[in-house]
Amino acid sequence: GESVGLHLPTLSVQEGDNSIINCAYSNSASDYFIWYKQESGKGPQFIIDIRSNMDKRQGQRVTVLLNKTVKHLSLQIAATQPGDSAVYFCAENKINNAGNMLTFGGGTRLMVKP
Amino acid sequence: NAGVMQNPRHLVRRRGQEARLRCSPMKGHSHVYWYRQLPEEGLKFMVYLQKENIIDESGMPKERFSAEFPKEGPSILRIQQVVRGDSAAYFCASSPTGQVPSGEQYFGPGTRLTVT
Repeated sequence: GESVGLHLPTLSVQEGDNSIINCAYSNSASDYFIWYKQESGKGPQFIIDIRSNMDKRQGQRVTVLLNKTVKHLSLQIAATQPGDSAVYFCAENKINNAGNMLTFGGGTRLMVKP
Repeated sequence: NAGVMQNPRHLVRRRGQEARLRCSPMKGHSHVYWYRQLPEEGLKFMVYLQKENIIDESGMPKERFSAEFPKEGPSILRIQQVVRGDSAAYFCASSPTGQVPSGEQYFGPGTRLTVT
């Protein structure tokens, strides 16, 4: 079946460095791709999204890149801080008449070393 | 403006008992989604509800699981005759309308169900 998955289960970076978290997807019909951050014991928190007709979108310290040719999504975090330590999920959204259905990938754990 | 509320935060049930999980969406939100998360895994969609309507329950197990979102009160996810495999974190999310442009959903803190 169609799915969203991640390349790396764990990413360890030094505080202040940039982080890149990757995600592969297989559903070309998705309308949006979304990144969520989940801290231990908490629910997922929206970070940034990108529409399927875009290839780049920037937020505060984060950038999402979408490569539709190879069905690849990435989240770049600039100047990674200890508070960025969490599990990051990509999710795809196919909007239909019934509403918004999110399909989540398996997650990447980001560990920031001081 | 309070976020999505879920209770209880932790729930322990013996095999065969019933589990009831509650979710109050954000103020002004009329669409509720339930997801299940196993340890070290992503969230899996279970059911999407609007007030008094089940819109999509394609992710719900056929037996023992049910969900409702009454006109008044919180949304309820009910698991009857729980088994150890039901142990997981259950997250509720809400959105103001079904077709938010990006599909952004606001998640609650989750209910961690442990079946002994």
